[in-house]
Amino acid sequence: DTAVSQTPKYLVTQMGNDKSIKCEQNLGHDTMYWYKQDSKKFLKIMFSYNNKELIINETVPNRFSPKSPDKAHLNLHINSLELGDSAVYFCASSQDRDRYEQYFGPGTRLTVT
Amino acid sequence: RKEVEQDPGPFNVPEGATVAFNCTYSNSASQSFFWYRQDCRKEPKLLMSVYSSGNEDGRFTAQLNRASQYISLLIRDSKLSDSATYLCVVRKTDKLIFGTGTRLQVFP
Repeated sequence: DTAVSQTPKYLVTQMGNDKSIKCEQNLGHDTMYWYKQDSKKFLKIMFSYNNKELIINETVPNRFSPKSPDKAHLNLHINSLELGDSAVYFCASSQDRDRYEQYFGPGTRLTVT
Repeated sequence: RKEVEQDPGPFNVPEGATVAFNCTYSNSASQSFFWYRQDCRKEPKLLMSVYSSGNEDGRFTAQLNRASQYISLLIRDSKLSDSATYLCVVRKTDKLIFGTGTRLQVFP
């Protein structure tokens, strides 16, 4: 009964490749997020969608493109991967944009070689 | 300067000890405050909210000082299972701003 799930859990790829990470939540939440946690454990918001509408778009290279086909799914596509993209990417959801409690997925550990 | 600053630790304490973590935030417009817990190689999970009057949840006590822009977390009677990284989190408009965390290791 996973609340927020992400696939894949691990992703190892070479520089220059394009990859996608998928996220699904079965909590009926309206708002979903992508975070990046770097090697220094700093967790930073990248994007947020509320009912499929983009509401937060931090200063992220435009190689990163989120897509929300419906409010239960938020995918992250990354073009032309770079070494600095290596990190753990967490998807999260909250009941709505005003709720502070966010439920995180297990993370996707991306390694770019 | 980071928006949310924490001592990274690690804090190594014996079982049964009392340990306190502090956190400072830079934006006085911050609206809400929380502590999240992150176990090694796992996702963050909400531990507790922090209210101006201070609040307690079992062995955990959180306090907020808005004038000093300072948040604290006190853990009493530490258990081995409390070993984790504790993330100080501040809400600003629609976003949660996470500190880099304080690592706690409780030993037998």
